[in-house]
Amino acid sequence: GQQLNQSPQSMFIQEGEDVSMNCTSSSIFNTWLWYKQDPGEGPVLLIALYKAGELTSNGRLTAQFGITRKDSFLNISASIPSDVGIYFCAGHPNFGNEKLTFGTGTRLTIIP
Amino acid sequence: EAGVVQSPRYKIIEKKQPVAFWCNPISGHNTLYWYRQNLGQGPELLIRYENEEAVDDSQLPKDRFSAERLKGVDSTLKIQPAELGDSAVYLCASSLAGGSTDTQYFGPGTRLTVL
Repeated sequence: GQQLNQSPQSMFIQEGEDVSMNCTSSSIFNTWLWYKQDPGEGPVLLIALYKAGELTSNGRLTAQFGITRKDSFLNISASIPSDVGIYFCAGHPNFGNEKLTFGTGTRLTIIP
Repeated sequence: EAGVVQSPRYKIIEKKQPVAFWCNPISGHNTLYWYRQNLGQGPELLIRYENEEAVDDSQLPKDRFSAERLKGVDSTLKIQPAELGDSAVYLCASSLAGGSTDTQYFGPGTRLTVL
C-alpha cells in the first residue's frame, strides 16, 4: 500500500540538539498527524494539524501543515533522552471512506 | 482509564498454521481498526469497524485473513493458514467515531513470527 515519504530515515544527535524531519506526499491531505512509537508499543499521537499553513506546538514539539497540503514538518527543540523513538507522519484526505496513510518513519537516536 | 488491550503480545508459529489475535478497545469507542506494521514501515490499515459493521476491508487479504466484531466491542483477527510473509506486528486501534478528527488510540500490538 501507499506510504508517505519521510526524511531523514534515521537521525543520530546529541542531547540538547534541535531536530527537524519532514513528510511528503504525492497527493493532497486535509489532515496531517504526527505520532511517536516506542519499542514494543503502538504509536501515540503527538500533534494534529487541520488547516494548510497551520503551525501547532506541543511543548518542545512544533509541527507545520504545508501550504501545498502535500507535506508536513516536525521540529523538536532541545532534545532529551525520552525523545528517542520512531516518529511517523500520517495523512487523511477527509472525505468518503478514505483511510489514514502513514509515513515510513524517522528513527531518532540520542548519542550520550 | 484502560487503553486498548491486545493479546497475545507475541506469537511464534510455523507456516500453514492458524493464528488469532484479540483486541479490546477503549470503552465507549465505536470505531475499531486493525493495522499491520511490517519491519521498518508505518502501519497499514487492514480493516475498520463502525460498531459491528466492517466499513472498510479493502486491504484485508480475504483468502486467508478474517476478522469479526460480533457485539461491537471486542474483535478478533484470524489468519489461516499463515505464510512466511505474514510476519509483522498487528496493531489494533480504536476511536470514538471514524472521522478524520477522531484520535486513534493504538494498542501495544501482537508481534507475529512465522517460521
